[in-house]
Amino acid sequence: DQQVKQNSPSLSVQEGRISILNCDYTNSMFDYFLWYKKYPAEGPTFLISISSIKDKNEDGRFTVFLNKSAKHLSLHIVPSQPGDSAVYFCAASAGTYKYIFGTGTRLKVLA
Amino acid sequence: DAGVIQSPRHEVTEMGQEVTLRCKPISGHNSLFWYRQTMMRGLELLIYFNNNVPIDDSGMPEDRFSAKMPNASFSTLKIQPSEPRDSAVYFCASSSGTSGGDSSYEQYFGPGTRLTVT
Repeated sequence: DQQVKQNSPSLSVQEGRISILNCDYTNSMFDYFLWYKKYPAEGPTFLISISSIKDKNEDGRFTVFLNKSAKHLSLHIVPSQPGDSAVYFCAASAGTYKYIFGTGTRLKVLA
Repeated sequence: DAGVIQSPRHEVTEMGQEVTLRCKPISGHNSLFWYRQTMMRGLELLIYFNNNVPIDDSGMPEDRFSAKMPNASFSTLKIQPSEPRDSAVYFCASSSGTSGGDSSYEQYFGPGTRLTVT
């Protein structure tokens, strides 16, 4: 029973264009959401987060949008760069240490 | 400043053998997590320690799995006996969160141990 779903296993985008990674969740108790980025042979690293009291959080080229009614969040990367090529994990928490991760989306930014 | 350290980075073993994975958290962090990553299920939390005490082991798949944290700078995850379905990447992560938990405390991940059981 996947509470956090990333339905697109992979995504290819041209350099300079926007990358949009999507994530859906089922548990309405989730109130904190995160995106982690993972390069090969490395552990995931924190990228950006959003609390459920907000619907948008921006950090440089990265913006996370939260639609609570649809139980959907997305990560926008603008402009995309080849160095952004990685696996992106969406995670959710119900106010505790316990992060529920999705299965990841592999982003490839084409030069 | 060293991050989370895991060893070994790769482990290949035969079914039935004992496997021990090791983790050194970031100094000063009081929370430690063991995760397992598979293609089908993504990253799953196996066990959570706070101040060296296991708080939540509900993710440990079965009795073949055990974890210890004898001090603030070292933890082990043991699988005995190992089975082919245990093949996965195992990550250790640490944070400075409280025992009750606060999701805003970022979890820092180690590089992982890729386990292959043949």
